[in-house]
Amino acid sequence: SQKIEQNSEALNIQEGKTATLTCNYTNYSPAYLQWYRQDPGRGPVFLLLIRENEKEKRKERLKVTFDTTLKQSLFHITASQPADSATYLCALEKGGSYIPTFGRGTSLIVHP
Amino acid sequence: KAGVTQTPRYLIKTRGQQVTLSCSPISGHRSVSWYQQTPGQGLQFLFEYFSETQRNKGNFPGRFSGRQFSNSRSEMNVSTLELGDSALYLCASIGAGAQETQYFGPGTRLLVL
Repeated sequence: SQKIEQNSEALNIQEGKTATLTCNYTNYSPAYLQWYRQDPGRGPVFLLLIRENEKEKRKERLKVTFDTTLKQSLFHITASQPADSATYLCALEKGGSYIPTFGRGTSLIVHP
Repeated sequence: KAGVTQTPRYLIKTRGQQVTLSCSPISGHRSVSWYQQTPGQGLQFLFEYFSETQRNKGNFPGRFSGRQFSNSRSEMNVSTLELGDSALYLCASIGAGAQETQYFGPGTRLLVL
């Protein structure tokens, strides 16, 4: 069956360091992959989208890589700040329906 | 542009009751999706409506239903509530321009006692 895995353990890092979050998937051929940020009690907010034929995407301090051979995406936040503390969700969509399947998310905690 | 709005924000019901949640998408967006989010299962897709028609459906029992009106506003209904229906219910709208991007509302927190 299709599976999307994100580290369930919280990632704790110091302010200023680079945070790297992982999204692995199996039995899936996504057309694109998205990353969302979710704060407690709020809906997810779209951050970045990367397509199957793209290796890397950047937006300000954010960088996403997509390796369809490894079936993995890495999400990086450089020069992290306490305000970056949130849960980050990856979502995959196989194309056509525009209905993504979400991972359970990884909590990031940036310590000042 | 105003974002996606959902009402009510919080709701407490008892088992066996039914509930209706409302979602107003971003102006101009015609697609509305509904998700259930729980700590155990994460974000799970319920259904999607486009131009008043259900276009996609997730794997939920028939107690969960929805509809969309001509102004793109959407409602979802859960009948015969169970304790396990306690969750954050999120709706998301999709614009015509960037159809892959879901714009989520703040959610309705439902507690079933």
